[in-house]
Amino acid sequence: DADVTQTPRNRITKTGKRIMLECSQTKGHDRMYWYRQDPGLGLRLIYYSFDVKDINKGEISDGYSVSRQAQAKFSLSLESAIPNQTALYFCATSATRPTSGTGELFFGEGSRLTVL
Amino acid sequence: GNSVTQMEGPVTLSEEAFLTINCTYTATGYPSLFWYVQYPGEGLQLLLKATKADDKGSNKGFEATYRKETTSFHLEKGSVQVSDSAVYFCALSPLSGGYNKLIFGAGTRLAVHP
Repeated sequence: DADVTQTPRNRITKTGKRIMLECSQTKGHDRMYWYRQDPGLGLRLIYYSFDVKDINKGEISDGYSVSRQAQAKFSLSLESAIPNQTALYFCATSATRPTSGTGELFFGEGSRLTVL
Repeated sequence: GNSVTQMEGPVTLSEEAFLTINCTYTATGYPSLFWYVQYPGEGLQLLLKATKADDKGSNKGFEATYRKETTSFHLEKGSVQVSDSAVYFCALSPLSGGYNKLIFGAGTRLAVHP
């Protein structure tokens, strides 16, 4: 089983619908992240969380919200999806204190979202 | 601010050719630098890293040297294989705040043909 699991892997929805992408991890990491990947733009940070009580906006948080239900679970919601939110979404984790893996992120396999 | 600039792709090579993917960065202080690789249908995974100037990261035949004087971290491999076909992302981790907030470049797609 993957250390970082995202569901669903693929989703097609319509404009205005509410969508939730879920992420769970078995790595025991405190830090979790949601990124969005668009062709030619690389990965952009949407939200990040350093522990259950700590939620922070990334560079493109407008139109998104998150919930950190437990150390191992971090979900991303689109309250009212719009077509320009069509993208590949990645959840990632990292260790609280950088050691030999300074800055290393561990990614899920991605959730492809299409908003019609 | 902090940013990463990569050469545009796609890069198309024949098997056993030499690979260079350029990466330059802008950052205050002394960031850590990374190359991540994304194989088709998968998430990103760390390929190599360097945490201080003149460090060389290496893995799976890939190498990159942290050059502070030219603010670069170019990825190289002496002889590519078809299995190296993937998208490669250069990234930096700024030291300010001590957080693992990675800033990614746009990615460079590599296609290796037999």
